Amino acid sequence: ELKVEQNPLFLSMQEGKNYTIYCNYSTTSDRLYWYRQDPGKSLESLFVLLSNGAVKQEGRLMASLDTKARLSTLHITAAVHDLSATYFCAVDMVGNAGGTSYGKLTFGQGTILTVHP
Amino acid sequence: GAGVSQSPSNKVTEKGKDVELRCDPISGHTALYWYRQSLGQGLEFLIYFQGNSAPDKSGLPSDRFSAERTGGSVSTLTIQRTQQEDSAVYLCASSLDPTGVAFFGQGTRLTVV
Repeated sequence: ELKVEQNPLFLSMQEGKNYTIYCNYSTTSDRLYWYRQDPGKSLESLFVLLSNGAVKQEGRLMASLDTKARLSTLHITAAVHDLSATYFCAVDMVGNAGGTSYGKLTFGQGTILTVHP
Repeated sequence: GAGVSQSPSNKVTEKGKDVELRCDPISGHTALYWYRQSLGQGLEFLIYFQGNSAPDKSGLPSDRFSAERTGGSVSTLTIQRTQQEDSAVYLCASSLDPTGVAFFGQGTRLTVV
């Protein structure tokens, strides 16, 4: 059974500081996603990481993937209040049913990020 | 449509009643997924549709849960004889093809009283 674990689960940061959220998963996977969720809202796709060593950056967020270590990181640079949200990593264990492959996401527990002035 | 649309956004129902939750995926998206988000269990996969067929129903928690998809578009998740433990946010997602990025709807918050 695929397990996905994030840490920390709660992160309180000051504006301007840097921090990293970690996502470990238990079995080989084809793809890893990072999603953002604001309170009462749905999940917004941030990054898709497709291969070992993949690195993607958008604004103050940078995600990386190490498939050998089964680890992804989401690095936050110079945090601002607008980044306050819950961040999920999700691993795509490509399923195979009915003879076709498809994405079936297993999510981490989520990291609740709060950025303080 | 511009995004995945779910209705209702909130539903309060009495224990034992049946409920139907609706999902309108992004136009042209062939793959559709239902997930459930609850405090105790986090985000859990329920069912996957490709077109109108559901090759993976492995996440449905009991036989009280069923889903269908018609016209390769709209999907309905039905929960019969609701229980309090069914209270959760039910999220629908769609993707252009089975291995593409999934785009999520805003969810239906179900409360069973």
